[in-house]
Order: sequence, then structure tokens, then C-alpha cells
Amino acid sequence: NAGVTQTPKFRILKIGQSMTLQCAQDMNHNYMYWYRQDPGMGLKLIYYSVGAGITDKGEVPNGYNVSRSTTEDFPLRLELAAPSQTSVYFCASSYRHSSLSTDTQYFGPGTRLTVL
Amino acid sequence: GQQVMQIPQYQHVQEGEDFTTYCNSSTTLSNIQWYKQRPGGHPVFLIQLVKSGEVKKQKRLTFQFGEAKKNSSLHITATQTTDVGTYFCAGPANQAGTALIFGKGTTLSVSS
Repeated sequence: NAGVTQTPKFRILKIGQSMTLQCAQDMNHNYMYWYRQDPGMGLKLIYYSVGAGITDKGEVPNGYNVSRSTTEDFPLRLELAAPSQTSVYFCASSYRHSSLSTDTQYFGPGTRLTVL
Repeated sequence: GQQVMQIPQYQHVQEGEDFTTYCNSSTTLSNIQWYKQRPGGHPVFLIQLVKSGEVKKQKRLTFQFGEAKKNSSLHITATQTTDVGTYFCAGPANQAGTALIFGKGTTLSVSS
């Protein structure tokens, strides 16, 4: 199993450009997440999905969009890139066993994005 | 809103010294998780604590969950250079437990 994969590894965007960060998992996990990590600020949840066709906002969703058409893929879209979106983006997935559990999250290697 | 705070933000130790990081939540947690992120890497799950007062050990690492389930700690005995990285605690972000809220992490550096 490859686990959680993310592409690209690095990207430089100009202000106003758009791009999609790709995330895929091959563990048949039902839950998937997008985080951004800024230096010294920990991990901030952008969006998450509890299954194909279902997404919900996290702590910092503004400026981003997501979709989940399949169990495996959870792309993150930046429509109008801004310097404030310079960050490292991590995708994660987990398998929710029951409504009473909190799951272990498996993270991808990250995408380092710079907006100039 | 709910907050998860960690102290210290940074800690430097000599190899062989002990290290402790503390995690405090503004609300009672049903469980707490700990993750480690090596420099340039991604977070990796270490452990989950569920019960009040629970203590779990992984070799030189000891994890505790407070009696009130609002705080937790990670203690490393006799640090090694391989322990370098940032340690995060995380708790459920909502009642359904569908997402996690992470602390800002404690970054450990070790000199030999």
C-alpha cells in the first residue's frame, strides 16, 4: 500500500492563480482531511470529508474548495491564490470504526506551496 | 471556541536528559492523541489515551491522561538524537469526533 499520496511536492504560484492539490489514499479509509501548517502554528483543519459526496468545513476554509467524488481521492482547490495561503498542506485519512471512536489519522508527505 | 494548548513551544536538551511536554484543553476530552513530526516530515501517530488517569508507555516514552481528561503529558526518558522533532497532542474537535483539533506542538532539539 502506498498509503496517502500527495502531488505536487512543491509549487510556486503567482497571486491570483488557481491550482488543485491532489490527495489519494489506497487504504479504503472513509474519512479524509486537509490541513495547513504554518511555522509554529500547528495544524489547522481546512476541510474534511466523512465519505464520498460529503464534505464539511474545518477551522480555516476560506479561500479553498474541496470535493469528494470517490473514496480514494480528496482534491483541494485554491481559486485565487493569495500570499496568506503560503503554507505546507497535509492531507490525511482515517477509518472510522464507530460513532464512539476517534480514529488514527494517516498523513501524506505534504505539499509546500509558495504564493508570490 | 475549543482550544488545545501545549507548552513549552521549544525545548533543547543534551542527549541523555529527560524531556516533558504538556497539553491542556479548554474542554473535557473523550480521548487524546499524540503525534510526532520529524523535521521536514509529516505527522505520525504515536498513541491514543482514552481513560481518565491513563498511563501508557512506549519504550522511553510515557504518556499520561489527566484525571479530569483536560490535560495530558508526554515524558521522554534519556533523550536520544532520534527523538528530535515536533510533538503534537490532538483531541476531538466536535462531539461526533469526526475531526481533530491539534495543539501548536513542542519542538524538541537534542545535542550530543
